[in-house]
Amino acid sequence: KQEVTQIPAALSVPEGENLVLNCSFTDSAIYNLQWFRQDPGKGLTSLLLIQSSQREQTSGRLNASLDKSSGRSTLYIAASQPGDSATYLCAVMGSGGSYIPTFGRGTSLIVHP
Amino acid sequence: SAVISQKPSRDICQRGTSLTIQCQVDSQVTMMFWYRQQPGQSLTLIATANQGSEATYESGFVIDKFPISRPNLTFSTLTVSNMSPEDSSIYLCSVGGTGGLSNYGYTFGSGTRLTVV
Repeated sequence: KQEVTQIPAALSVPEGENLVLNCSFTDSAIYNLQWFRQDPGKGLTSLLLIQSSQREQTSGRLNASLDKSSGRSTLYIAASQPGDSATYLCAVMGSGGSYIPTFGRGTSLIVHP
Repeated sequence: SAVISQKPSRDICQRGTSLTIQCQVDSQVTMMFWYRQQPGQSLTLIATANQGSEATYESGFVIDKFPISRPNLTFSTLTVSNMSPEDSSIYLCSVGGTGGLSNYGYTFGSGTRLTVV
């Protein structure tokens, strides 16, 4: 059974810092990995989707990498801003016939001015 | 990717009552998913809803408590029945992207924040 772990669970940084959020998964046979942002009490907003054949995806100040063989993904946030404060979740979809993603518990990020 | 309209965005309900949550998608999708997110936790899948058939429930969730309707390819409802304070959670609907679930990732509704008093 796929298990997804996100480290750290919480992070508080001053504005302007570059950040790395980590996601690890136990079964490397995956279709893709998706990073989401969730604001308190709200739904999930998709940030980046990495297919199993890709090594990274970029959108603005965000860069996500994928190393399938080691079961790891990182989300890099450049020049963090207070508006980046949210919970970041990664989700992995396996290739074992299951179309149901497995979610990590998230990293709660606070960027203070 | 698909756009999902979910409502209500939040509600405060009395124990013993029921609440129906609606999700409308701007394109036709085969499968819709319903999740629960308890305070401080990650997402737990409640059920998968296919149009024209009974929903498939995950372990620990039953139809009597969480009846689901899927009348067409763009709409679904989840009812939380006979509520207790333990049902206080965020409820989310989700769809896979068009063109194949594995290729386009997942899109989520804006969530329903339910508080049972």
